[in-house]
Amino acid sequence: GNSVTQMEGPVTLSEEAFLTINCTYTATGYPSLFWYVQYPGEGLQLLLKATKADDKGSNKGFEATYRKETTSFHLEKGSVQVSDSAVYFCALSHKAAGNKLTFGGGTRVLVKP
Amino acid sequence: NAGVTQTPKFQVLKTGQSMTLQCAQDMNHEYMSWYRQDPGMGLRLIHYSVGAGITDQGEVPNGYNVSRSTTEDFPLRLLSAAPSQTSVYFCASSYAGGQSSSSYNSPLHFGNGTRLTVT
Repeated sequence: GNSVTQMEGPVTLSEEAFLTINCTYTATGYPSLFWYVQYPGEGLQLLLKATKADDKGSNKGFEATYRKETTSFHLEKGSVQVSDSAVYFCALSHKAAGNKLTFGGGTRVLVKP
Repeated sequence: NAGVTQTPKFQVLKTGQSMTLQCAQDMNHEYMSWYRQDPGMGLRLIHYSVGAGITDQGEVPNGYNVSRSTTEDFPLRLLSAAPSQTSVYFCASSYAGGQSSSSYNSPLHFGNGTRLTVT
């Protein structure tokens, strides 16, 4: 079946540091890939997505590239802010499964001033 | 825009009690779903619905019931609460349901969650 593996946290960074969160997946064919972010006390919200190989999703300074050859979708941001402190989830969907998402375990990121 | 609204925000139950978690969306979304979030396990799908009158089981359906009598509402019922059901529950919806060519690219819109503790 489909699965998503992402690095465990927490990840603690200083403001303006570079952030990378690794995400790899297992799925047949060509799934769509997503990053969701969960701020404290809130539900998840879509951060970015990519629907085919070599696509790059980007939003709010975050980027992730769909790498079919390494089955990866790593999230990066060049200069984090305190407001980026949140839990980040990598997820995939597959045409055969409709809207059903498979999530990774989540990575908590804490940015200190 | 209200989006996806969940009630209550917090609930404490005793083992064996029943309750209903409410979820409503005002975006006319066809697809609605319930997830539970447990530490280190991400989100796991409990039940989902691709339209009014249609529901199906997800990954962890045991102990939960759902119904979809209207497009807007998708309540989750705990029949006899157990400590293993202590979790944070999220309702989510999206535009396209079923296995249409675009449905799997539609992002989910989440509510703010219900934190349930079963003692």
